[in-house]
Amino acid sequence: GAVVSQHPSRVICKSGTSVKIECRSLDFQATTMFWYRQFPKQSLMLMATSNEGSKATYEQGVEKDKFLINHASLTLSTLTVTSAHPEDSSFYICSATLAGVTDTQYFGPGTRLTVL
Amino acid sequence: AQRVTQPEKLLSVFKGAPVELKCNYSYSGSPELFWYVQYSRQRLQLLLRHISRESIKGFTADLNKGETSFHLKKPFAQEEDSAMYYCALRGNNAGNMLTFGGGTRLMVKP
Repeated sequence: GAVVSQHPSRVICKSGTSVKIECRSLDFQATTMFWYRQFPKQSLMLMATSNEGSKATYEQGVEKDKFLINHASLTLSTLTVTSAHPEDSSFYICSATLAGVTDTQYFGPGTRLTVL
Repeated sequence: AQRVTQPEKLLSVFKGAPVELKCNYSYSGSPELFWYVQYSRQRLQLLLRHISRESIKGFTADLNKGETSFHLKKPFAQEEDSAMYYCALRGNNAGNMLTFGGGTRLMVKP
C-alpha cells in the first residue's frame, strides 16, 4: 500500500513553454503532498507543501508564480512549471502523507524535466 | 532554522565490514529524525525513524541529543545495501516538512 505515482516520468520541452507534472496517491488519501527538487548529485530541496483544498505553502526562494501547485483532491496534486527556462531542468519529486498519519512520507518516482 | 549534515558523500566498504553513515543535525527544539534510502533506479523510501527504535534490514540508528547526531549503523554490510542514504529531520513545529541532508552513497564491495 501507500503508492505514489508521478506523470510523466520524463519530459522535454522548449524554453518558454509550460509543463504540468501530476502526483497521485494510488491507494490512499493524502491530505498533504510535498514537492521537492533534486539537482544532480545533490539532496532534495523542499519547494512547497500542498494541502488539499488550500493554497500551497512555498519555501523561501521558490517563486510561486513560476511553480504553480494545485491540490484539488485528496489523491492528486499538480505542479506546473510556467514559462520554463533551461535552469528549471531538474528532477522533481513529490511525496504524500496519509490522512491522519503524520510522520511518514511516501515518495513518487520523480519526473525528469529537461528544458531546451 | 533546521539543518541536516551528512559529512560523507561516498562511503565504500567491503562486504561483511561494519558500516556507519554519519548524520548531524541542528535544531533548537526536539526533532524527529529519519533515514531514507534510495536503491538504484528506485524511489526514495523510509528506512527507519528514531521514534520507532527499530532495526530494519539490520540497520539501527540512535538519536544522540547531546551530540546532535543520528548515525546509521550496520554491523555487517551486504552488497544489496549499496544505495543512496538520506538523513532527514522534522521539526516539532513544522508540520510534516522534512529537511534532508546531502546524502551519502554507500558502496559495498564483494
